[in-house]
Amino acid sequence: QQQVKQSPQSLIVQKGGISIINCAYENTAFDYFPWYQQFPGKGPALLIAIRPDVSEKKEGRFTISFNKSAKQFSLHIMDSQPGDSATYFCAASEQGAQKLVFGQGTRLTINP
Amino acid sequence: NAGVMQNPRHLVRRRGQEARLRCSPMKGHSHVYWYRQLPEEGLKFMVYLQKENIIDESGMPKERFSAEFPKEGPSILRIQQVVRGDSAAYFCASSRTLNVEQYFGPGTRLTVT
Repeated sequence: QQQVKQSPQSLIVQKGGISIINCAYENTAFDYFPWYQQFPGKGPALLIAIRPDVSEKKEGRFTISFNKSAKQFSLHIMDSQPGDSATYFCAASEQGAQKLVFGQGTRLTINP
Repeated sequence: NAGVMQNPRHLVRRRGQEARLRCSPMKGHSHVYWYRQLPEEGLKFMVYLQKENIIDESGMPKERFSAEFPKEGPSILRIQQVVRGDSAAYFCASSRTLNVEQYFGPGTRLTVT
């Protein structure tokens, strides 16, 4: 019940296209859903996060869509650029628990 | 404002030795978390600490692993009698308070030979 399932494992998108990464969860107590970006040899960097009281959050080219009834959330990267090539992790936590439960990661490649 | 700092960045230990990983949280952050990342996998929670207290160690292996966050100084993750399976990247994160964003350090890559 603690799992967060992420798909796809890898994704190739042309420059200027839209990258979409999906995550699903089972634990209905989760109430915080961040996305992290990780470059090789670096630590994860917080990109954007959402709480269940909203269905969408946008920051620049990055958008989180959240579907509470389906227990799914997704990251959309608009106008994808080669510099966006990295591994992306979704995560979730429940209030009071603090620990983040991570998805398995998606390796995104943006072709120029 | 410096981010989360971890050292060493790379650590090589022989089987049976001890590994000590250090983490200094961001300024003003009093909550520290340790995660482990195996090659090609996501991050797994290990332990959550506040100053001088372990709050949640549900992800820590029962033996050989310990963590502390003293009143003064960095948080320490200690692995005794390391084995090859301990080879991984260990990340520390910190947050200012409860239920807010966690910011990660660059990690310590432990290799056990």
